[in-house]
Amino acid sequence: GEDVEQSLFLSVREGDSSVINCTYTDSSSTYLYWYKQEPGAGLQLLTYIFSNMDMKQDQRLTVLLNKKDKHLSLRIADTQTGDSAIYFCAEKGSGGGADGLTFGKGTHLIIQP
Amino acid sequence: ETGVTQSPTHLIKTRGQQVTLRCSSQSGHNTVSWYQQALGQGPQFIFQYYREEENGRGNFPPRFSGLQFPNYSSELNVNALELDDSALYLCASSLDRGSSYEQYFGPGTRLTVT
Repeated sequence: GEDVEQSLFLSVREGDSSVINCTYTDSSSTYLYWYKQEPGAGLQLLTYIFSNMDMKQDQRLTVLLNKKDKHLSLRIADTQTGDSAIYFCAEKGSGGGADGLTFGKGTHLIIQP
Repeated sequence: ETGVTQSPTHLIKTRGQQVTLRCSSQSGHNTVSWYQQALGQGPQFIFQYYREEENGRGNFPPRFSGLQFPNYSSELNVNALELDDSALYLCASSLDRGSSYEQYFGPGTRLTVT
């Protein structure tokens, strides 16, 4: 079945760049997403990329997609304390009845002062 | 524009009971998806409703059922609650079934089964 894998933790210093990585197995994925979840809250859609793109930039966020290796990354430039959260990678398959997203277990981003 | 809202915020139930969770979709959105997020895990897709009909389902048993109303709000019903049903239940809405790649999530309902 489909699977999405992420590292559980990433620790960075305030002001540095954070790079969160994700791998997925479904070669028919059409869209890949990054969501942010703060403690006790729902998920906030940060950005997404269509599978025929290899890069998308949105202010401090850069998404890179290597479709051949099924690898997705999220780079956060100039990381701030407000970026401390759990970041989920998710993918959407190409069809079938279900339009649900498949999520990884999330990466906890820890910001050091 | 109102975002996705869910009620209640927290709920405690006993094993074997039944529960109903509610979701109001974002204004103009006609598609609602439900997810279960166990502690320390990513969300898992339960099912999706489009124009009052179930549009797709994940790997959840039939005791998980849903409804969508003409105003596109939705309910998730869980019968015969089990301890493992304890989780955060998230609702997500999208503009249309064809646009379901942009799913916007509500704050969730925390269900505890004792």
